[in-house]
Amino acid sequence: DAKTTQPPSMDCAEGRAANLPCNHSTISGNEYVYWYRQIHSQGPQYIIHGLKNNETNEMASLIITEDRKSSTLILPHATLRDTAVYYCIDPLFGNEKLTFGTGTRLTIIP
Amino acid sequence: GAGVSQSPRYKVAKRGQDVALRCDPISGHVSLFWYQQALGQGPEFLTYFQNEAQLDKSGLPSDRFFAERPEGSVSTLKIQRTQQEDSAVYLCASSFNLDRDLIQYFGAGTRLSVL
Repeated sequence: DAKTTQPPSMDCAEGRAANLPCNHSTISGNEYVYWYRQIHSQGPQYIIHGLKNNETNEMASLIITEDRKSSTLILPHATLRDTAVYYCIDPLFGNEKLTFGTGTRLTIIP
Repeated sequence: GAGVSQSPRYKVAKRGQDVALRCDPISGHVSLFWYQQALGQGPEFLTYFQNEAQLDKSGLPSDRFFAERPEGSVSTLKIQRTQQEDSAVYLCASSFNLDRDLIQYFGAGTRLSVL
């Protein structure tokens, strides 16, 4: 799978927007970017994915740069329950499996 | 309870013992995946089924690991002659696979401790 780079950890104040960056400089034109998160003692949970346009759903927004080499996941109003490890994934096209890496450990501060 | 169910949640095995881990995917999901997660690491792919066919087992670490999904629903991951390095959380995920997207739904995992 293509490699992504994320900061190992971040803090964010409760109620503020959490912005999690990801570099995926080797992404090819038909590969989506996927974001998952894993809350302690739970399995990973799908958040959002995108190709080149910005995406928004009930959980988050995904901003992808025009050159597609990086993206930012935005949690608009972070709560304590958003404390988790966030994984940015750039799977090879046609590949069914997910390659998680080590992700970003996001801690929401009360 | 329409999510992915895994059992047992915790398993303690003596070194050399065989173990079997069960996964009940979401009803109707075509694809099923097994991942292994070591402490402090992200999940790592083990194997993948589409219905009853095992299409990719490239991630299985040794021939002691075996997975099956005989009727295209429930799956079992078996580890023979367990070793201490097998201690990890084993995660199962399933997906519709209708649009070939990578939205997978994960169970809570089975934590295996080999003593």
